[in-house]
Amino acid sequence: QKEVEQNSGPLSVPEGAIASLNCTYSDRGSQSFFWYRQYSGKSPELIMSIYSNGDKEDGRFTAQLNKASQYVSLLIRDSQPSDSATYLCAVNRDNQAGTALIFGKGTTLSVSS
Amino acid sequence: NAGVTQTPKFRILKIGQSMTLQCTQDMNHNYMYWYRQDPGMGLKLIYYSVGAGITDKGEVPNGYNVSRSTTEDFPLRLELAAPSQTSVYFCASSSLGLAYSYNEQFFGPGTRLTVL
Repeated sequence: QKEVEQNSGPLSVPEGAIASLNCTYSDRGSQSFFWYRQYSGKSPELIMSIYSNGDKEDGRFTAQLNKASQYVSLLIRDSQPSDSATYLCAVNRDNQAGTALIFGKGTTLSVSS
Repeated sequence: NAGVTQTPKFRILKIGQSMTLQCTQDMNHNYMYWYRQDPGMGLKLIYYSVGAGITDKGEVPNGYNVSRSTTEDFPLRLELAAPSQTSVYFCASSSLGLAYSYNEQFFGPGTRLTVL
C-alpha cells in the first residue's frame, strides 16, 4: 500500500465552484498533515496544515481530517482560475526523528473561467 | 529574509561528472532537507539534517552525499552523475521536527538537473 495516495486528476471545476481534493495515508501514527500548492515549474508552497480531527478553515480553504479513516481532504470554495495548480498532500512519518514528510503524487486542479 | 535559496537554477551534466547543489537558508532553521521530484511524481526525500554536523539518509540516498557544517548551508553532492538523476531538486528547511506537533517546511525554488 502506498503511504500517501491522491487521485492524480486532472480535476476540472468551473470558476466559482467548490473543488474537493482527497488524500489517504497508511501510517496510523502520523500526526501532522499538510497541503501544498505547486504551480508548474515552481516549488511547493504551504497553504494549509491540520493536526486534529475535524475542520480547519482559512479563507477559501478548508482542510478536513479524519484520523480513524486515515483521510484528509482540502476544499476550495469559490474556485478561481489562479487556483489551477497541483496540490500535494504531505504527512509526517511518526517513527523517525527529526524528519521528513511523505508526499503524495499530487492532484492537478484546473479551474475554467 | 530571502528564505531558502538554491543555486544553480539549471544545470546539464554529462554522465560520470560530479557537481554540488547549493542550499542556504536565513531563517535559523535547524532542520534541512533535500528532495527530488520526477515528472508527475511527488517529492522523495534524499537526505535530511537535524542540525550542524548531523545528517541522515532519506528514501533515495544512493548516488548522493551531503554535509552540514553550518546552520545555514546544506549542500548536496552528486558523484558520477547518471541519467536516472535527471530531476528537479528541492531544498527545504523547518524550525521544528517530528518530536513536536508539526513540521512546516519551506522550500527553495529548485534546481533543474539534466544528465546526458
